[in-house]
Amino acid sequence: GAVVSQHPSWVICKSGTSVKIECRSLDFQATTMFWYRQFPKQSLMLMATSNEGSKATYEQGVEKDKFLINHASLTLSTLTVTSAHPEDSSFYICSARDSGIDEQYFGPGTRLTVT
Amino acid sequence: DAKTTQPPSMDCAEGRAANLPCNHSTISGNEYVYWYRQIHSQGPQYIIHGLKNNETNEMASLIITEDRKSSTLILPHATLRDTAVYYCIANSGGSNYKLTFGKGTLLTVNP
Repeated sequence: GAVVSQHPSWVICKSGTSVKIECRSLDFQATTMFWYRQFPKQSLMLMATSNEGSKATYEQGVEKDKFLINHASLTLSTLTVTSAHPEDSSFYICSARDSGIDEQYFGPGTRLTVT
Repeated sequence: DAKTTQPPSMDCAEGRAANLPCNHSTISGNEYVYWYRQIHSQGPQYIIHGLKNNETNEMASLIITEDRKSSTLILPHATLRDTAVYYCIANSGGSNYKLTFGKGTLLTVNP
């Protein structure tokens, strides 16, 4: 199956700093990528939809100025958590849609801890 | 996406078939039934999807009732590595491909 990678797999940052998470589709082009957040013992919650070459669409309640998304190419989307706070500590997961076969593949996730 | 309902947890003996039910009584005609699973601290993994007909692949079988109001995911010979949370999702795909994850079923495969 298609492969989606995320970098880094885990990151620890101090409160007030920003951290960037990369999501790459390795063997297919993804015009659409999705960003999810998962708190412990909870399900995945969609944060935003990222479309190549256009602005991301954020779900209700997600601050677009805090979670900056850039989808500059067909294989890369980035999520930047700005001015991170401890409550932003979570498991961030991206997925990429292979429009050629209309399936969605998930990355391995990035564990963010804000101290 | 149509709402789906799954039991919160199930147990299965290693080597036996695991049958995971999903209720999607309000599913619309153009919505597929997707199954994903998530092993602890990993990203979700696609398993299978179907519209009307039963489907089978190397991982599992999907049985959809004739009225499409429910479905069952079958893992024919469960192994310990199949212990995971299994999510059943109804989605129309295409341009509206946002997947809405419910709470899923925690399947525990016991030795």
